Amino acid sequence: AQSVTQLGSHVSVSEGALVLLRCNYSSSVPPYLFWYVQYPNQGLQLLLKYTSAATLVKGINGFEAEFKKSETSFHLTKPSAHMSDAAEYFCAVRGGGADGLTFGKGTHLIIQP
Amino acid sequence: DTGVSQDPRHKITKRGQNVTFRCDPISEHNRLYWYRQTLGQGPEFLTYFQNEAQLEKSRLLSDRFSAERPKGSFSTLEIQRTEQGDSAMYLCASSSLGAGEMETQYFGPGTRLLVL
Repeated sequence: AQSVTQLGSHVSVSEGALVLLRCNYSSSVPPYLFWYVQYPNQGLQLLLKYTSAATLVKGINGFEAEFKKSETSFHLTKPSAHMSDAAEYFCAVRGGGADGLTFGKGTHLIIQP
Repeated sequence: DTGVSQDPRHKITKRGQNVTFRCDPISEHNRLYWYRQTLGQGPEFLTYFQNEAQLEKSRLLSDRFSAERPKGSFSTLEIQRTEQGDSAMYLCASSSLGAGEMETQYFGPGTRLLVL
């Protein structure tokens, strides 16, 4: 069975500062990993996904994530935060023959002006 | 491509009543998923269809829940004898399983259910 742990239910950064959202996964097979963003009262939008093609994955809105097998991590970063980045971010894993995604509990990103 | 749509967006019902939600996937997507999201949590997988076949059901899907995708296009999720614990956002996602690539699930806006 696979699982995802997102460290920090809330992360606050200043506008223009580095964004780092942490995700660690557990999977018995090589995983497929995803980051989704959710704005208030909306569905989830895919930011990026890891499919084993490259360990550094670039996504939309300037976000990227690096897959580190040795650390079982897939942390999400953005060099410079913008006010519009304020949202809930979810890390998800898929693997082991199960086609449904397993999500973490989410990290609420707060951008301070 | 109009995206995944869900109807209704909000539903308030009384405990014990039945409710039905509808999901229209992106056209020609052959896979359709249902998830449940409670306040402060990530989405939890409920079930999915490939075309009209229901291939996987989570243990979260109790006997009061039933999902259908009769013609392999839209899907319905019915909850019978609703309980207050059923209050949640119900999310639908669709994807296209192509050869040699990892599918991406595209989510709809969700149906928020409140059981009084």
